[in-house]
Amino acid sequence: AQSVAQPEDQVNVAEGNPLTVKCTYSVSGNPYLFWYVQYPNRGLQFLLKYITGDNLVKGSYGFEAEFNKSQTSFHLKKPSALVSDSALYFCAVRDYYNNAGNMLTFGGGTRLMVKP
Amino acid sequence: EPEVTQTPSHQVTQMGQEVILRCVPISNHLYFYWYRQILGQKVEFLVSFYNNEISEKSEIFDDQFSVERPDGSNFTLKIRSTKLEDSAMYFCASTLAPGQGRAGANVLTFGAGSRLTVL
Repeated sequence: AQSVAQPEDQVNVAEGNPLTVKCTYSVSGNPYLFWYVQYPNRGLQFLLKYITGDNLVKGSYGFEAEFNKSQTSFHLKKPSALVSDSALYFCAVRDYYNNAGNMLTFGGGTRLMVKP
Repeated sequence: EPEVTQTPSHQVTQMGQEVILRCVPISNHLYFYWYRQILGQKVEFLVSFYNNEISEKSEIFDDQFSVERPDGSNFTLKIRSTKLEDSAMYFCASTLAPGQGRAGANVLTFGAGSRLTVL
């Protein structure tokens, strides 16, 4: 079984400050990890992914995430937040070797509020 | 950039009525999915579809739900007799088959969603 936890329902940060959105995962095999963003009345947009290789992954809009195998975490980060980053962020995991249906499991989402 | 297209964007229906939600996946993608998001809750997997059959389905995907790809382009989700608790945003997604070694092979591309309201 695969699962994802996003411990914070909401993260508040001031514009220009660094932001972190937390994610931890559980899989029985090797994890493939993803971050998606959802703006109001829109679908899920892909931000970045970790498949293999470097633990620090860079994605769209200046976001990055760090894969930490020992802590089973994949926190989303950005050095300097923008008001336009305010949205709902979802972490997702796929256990590649134990997932015949190629299914992604999502966390509950974290609402990021960036204030001017 | 290629998109997954979903119609309708919003449908209101009476409890007990049949609803069909339509999706046009990205043309060279081979895996198709339906997810749903009840207002304020997490995105939940419903079903995956590959090679004209269901690959996997969740507990939510009971006998009231069905999927098909009738014409090689559209991918539909049918709810036979809607219930109040079926009210949600339904997302279609597609991806290339995994393990092919391409950069985008494992990324699901989502449509903008179809909001279903059951009264």
